[in-house]
Amino acid sequence: KAGVTQTPRYLIKTRGQQVTLSCSPISGHRSVSWYQQTPGQGLQFLFEYFSETQRNKGNFPGRFSGRQFSNSRSEMNVSTLELGDSALYLCASSLSRENSEQYFGPGTRLTVT
Amino acid sequence: AQKITQTQPGMFVQEKEAVTLDCTYDTSDPSYGLFWYKQPSSGEMIFLIYQGSYDQQNATEGRYSLNFQKARKSANLVISASQLGDSAMYFCAMREGWNQGGKLIFGQGTELSVKP
Repeated sequence: KAGVTQTPRYLIKTRGQQVTLSCSPISGHRSVSWYQQTPGQGLQFLFEYFSETQRNKGNFPGRFSGRQFSNSRSEMNVSTLELGDSALYLCASSLSRENSEQYFGPGTRLTVT
Repeated sequence: AQKITQTQPGMFVQEKEAVTLDCTYDTSDPSYGLFWYKQPSSGEMIFLIYQGSYDQQNATEGRYSLNFQKARKSANLVISASQLGDSAMYFCAMREGWNQGGKLIFGQGTELSVKP
C-alpha cells in the first residue's frame, strides 16, 4: 500500500508570492492534517480536514488556508509569503478522526527568499 | 505552560543497550492519546507507538515500549537493544479530547545518537 505522498518535495519562492502544497493520503484514509516544522518553533499544527470540511485549525494567520477534495487529497495554500514561512510542511493521514495512528508524508521543504 | 515536555535535547546510547526517552504532559482532559514518532535526517515522521489514556496496559511495539505513568503524567519511550539505525530525533505528542481528530501537540524532541 502506498504511503502518504506530498508534492513538491522542495520549493523555493520569493517573499510576497503564494504557494500551494499537495498531499495525497493513504488509500482509504479520510482524515488529513497539516503541520509546520521550523527549528525555532518545532512542530506546529496547522489544520485538519475530514470529509472535505475543516475540523480543526491551529494558531496561524489567515494567509494559511487549505482544502480537501472528495478523494481525500488535500492542498494547503500560503499567500503573501514571508521569510518566516520557510519550513518543512508535513501532512499526515489517518483512517478516521478517532483512529490512533497518523501516518506522515515525507514533507515539502519550502524556502522563502 | 508547555503541554508536552521533553527534557533531554540530546542523548547517547551504546549499540545493543536499552535507552529511555522522557516525556511529560499536561492536560485536564480525561480522554487523551499519547504518541511517539521518529524523525530521521530525511525528515519523514515515522509512527512508533500509541497509548490511550484509558488503556490499562503499557503499549508495546517490537523493540519499543511506552512506560505510561498516568498519575505522574509521564509517557516515556523505552527502546530495547538499540541499533545504529535508531539514531534520529524522537518526538512525543498528545491529542487532547476524544474529538480532536488529527490535532497533535508535539514536544521539542530528543536527538538520540547510537554509538557502535
